[in-house]
Amino acid sequence: DIQMTQSPSVLSASVGDRVTLNCKASQNINKYLNWYQQKLGEAPKLLIYNTNNLQTGIPSRFSGSGSGTDYTLTISSLQPEDVATYFCFQHNSWPLTFGSGTKLEIK
Amino acid sequence: EVQLQQSGAELGKPGTSVKLSCKVSGYNIRNTYMHWVNQRPGKGLEWIGRIDPANGNTIYAEKFKSKATLTADTSSNTAYMQLSQLKSDDTAIYFCAMESTTWFAYWGQGTLVTVSS
Repeated sequence: DIQMTQSPSVLSASVGDRVTLNCKASQNINKYLNWYQQKLGEAPKLLIYNTNNLQTGIPSRFSGSGSGTDYTLTISSLQPEDVATYFCFQHNSWPLTFGSGTKLEIK
Repeated sequence: EVQLQQSGAELGKPGTSVKLSCKVSGYNIRNTYMHWVNQRPGKGLEWIGRIDPANGNTIYAEKFKSKATLTADTSSNTAYMQLSQLKSDDTAIYFCAMESTTWFAYWGQGTLVTVSS
């Protein structure tokens, strides 16, 4: 199974900050990497698919990059409504696997 | 508009089974795959498996092969997941998700399964 390791597990930043969340796969996942945002009590919401494609309706302050085993989600200017847990997800091979999440907080 | 509506919360006794449903509106499930994902209290997301509603073919994560059974009814556009031999660590929220070209753009609202005697 491909292990997805996210860092940091908790990130505290100020409104307006540029924040970067990391996701490392245990093997090459060929850019088949999605990012999801999950707010408390809600289902996950797709932000980015296939590494760097912004899902329809998602603000442009979210962006993704990476290749091989290393991927990042960047929020260019953190907003209060971005408080959530962010999960990466690989769909390169079975079984599909999620990272353990980064909890994003506002300072 | 695509919507996934899941069945209500379940309380199951250890050793019993529960069957969850996920009714899709706005899209014919024959033309896609339906997945199930769980989330234990305070934990991350875990992929359980996928079904092709057109032919019933399934793929499961190894640890769920004897726990979960995925089925689908194309006449009602509904996917189902039965969880058997319930244990306390099956207590979780279970989500259905519809596969698309972007993967999991559409999710159900989740069903809380609580296992308790």
